[in-house]
Amino acid sequence: TQLLEQSPQFLSIQEGENLTVYCNSSSVFSSLQWYRQEPGEGPVLLVTVVTGGEVKKLKRLTFQFGDARKDSSLHITAAQPGDTGLYLCAPISGSARQLTFGSGTQLTVLP
Amino acid sequence: EAQVTQNPRYLITVTGKKLTVTCSQNMNHEYMSWYRQDPGLGLRQIYYSMNVEVTDKGDVPEGYKVSRKEKRNFPLILESPSPNQTSLYFCASLRLRSYNEQFFGPGTRLTVL
Repeated sequence: TQLLEQSPQFLSIQEGENLTVYCNSSSVFSSLQWYRQEPGEGPVLLVTVVTGGEVKKLKRLTFQFGDARKDSSLHITAAQPGDTGLYLCAPISGSARQLTFGSGTQLTVLP
Repeated sequence: EAQVTQNPRYLITVTGKKLTVTCSQNMNHEYMSWYRQDPGLGLRQIYYSMNVEVTDKGDVPEGYKVSRKEKRNFPLILESPSPNQTSLYFCASLRLRSYNEQFFGPGTRLTVL
């Protein structure tokens, strides 16, 4: 099982601020997924990044996959209270079928 | 509606009393998985199954059993629950092809006294 680190673990910001959260590993991944989990619910897929250096945008959310495919970042512009949740990264390694998740970043956006 | 269902949603039990948490999906997915979620530890995979009658251990399989007799169902069995198995459990499924999305159930909150 690869070592996977997400940072920061907790983040509390005011509405309208920008933020970036990170997912880092020493392993190379085939692709990487980001999920958001809201209280009382299961995680829901936000995006899958596949190519090294790839950038994907989902409204105010920008996802980047590192050039070496070992890390990823999620940037949120002008955060809103609806962005509050636990953000989880989930790397996919080649043909491996055992799936792992990072420990997550708990984001709170205050109105 | 495509979904993963789990039952029960909440369960309080006592040490040593066998229990089963059911999981069912209606998307004809080959792959199903169980996770436990604990504060600060994220989601940890307990067991997974790549198809009927094929199951494999995840990161934290001790104290759990699973079975996959039908494609749609993947029950999680705790033969002799202990307090350290108090956790939030999620079942998930996905179709076996690259970059596919995992669909998660609503979760089962288990407390073992």
